Amino acid sequence: DVQLLESGGGLVQPGGSLRLSCVASGFTFSNFIMGWVRQAPGKGLEWVSVISADGRSPFYADSVKGRFTMSRDNPKDTLFLQMNSLRAEDTAVYYCAKEKPGSGWSFDYWGQGTLVTVSS
Amino acid sequence: EIMLTQSPGTLSLSPGERATLSCRASQSVTNNYLTWYQQKPGQAPRLLIYGTSSRASGIPDRFSGSGSGTDFTLTISRLEPEDFAVYYCHHYGSARLTFGGGTRVEI
Repeated sequence: DVQLLESGGGLVQPGGSLRLSCVASGFTFSNFIMGWVRQAPGKGLEWVSVISADGRSPFYADSVKGRFTMSRDNPKDTLFLQMNSLRAEDTAVYYCAKEKPGSGWSFDYWGQGTLVTVSS
Repeated sequence: EIMLTQSPGTLSLSPGERATLSCRASQSVTNNYLTWYQQKPGQAPRLLIYGTSSRASGIPDRFSGSGSGTDFTLTISRLEPEDFAVYYCHHYGSARLTFGGGTRVEI
């Protein structure tokens, strides 16, 4: 079974940094595009970033560009999201997700999410 | 950048009724990459429809997607109790992903 397990969330002060991880299992991780999607409390879904299967090409939403860095370690089946210069509006549950190939970044498997709270 | 507007915000229906959810794009969608998800409270989203009309694995055939240009629709032919949830559309284009604001289907 495909599983995605996020970790690394928590409480951080404005301007601080946090690194999220997502460990994948049940599929050949290195073959798939992966993404991060977030959801602020009581709000809708917001795309954060996507990375190519080989890790060479990350893409970012305008709201996080220049502050967040997405990367992956294919031999370790792990996805990362380095978040710097955090703001209150970055408070959200962060989900990692696996793309269904050829579907235009549609995500067919999701983790359970990890909560990031940015507050002083 | 294409913006997506979902309507209505809330749809109040009964089990057995038909639900029609709209997702309107600010510009014409030319690549067919229109996707629908279902999300229940406390859960991650679940992929329902991709490529405008293709059902994801394990999705019952009471869920169907259609549309073109700027107007897209998710139809649930006969609502089951487990279908009461929030539904989101999204579009992929120009190396970015845009989500609609969601439609809540409630009893």
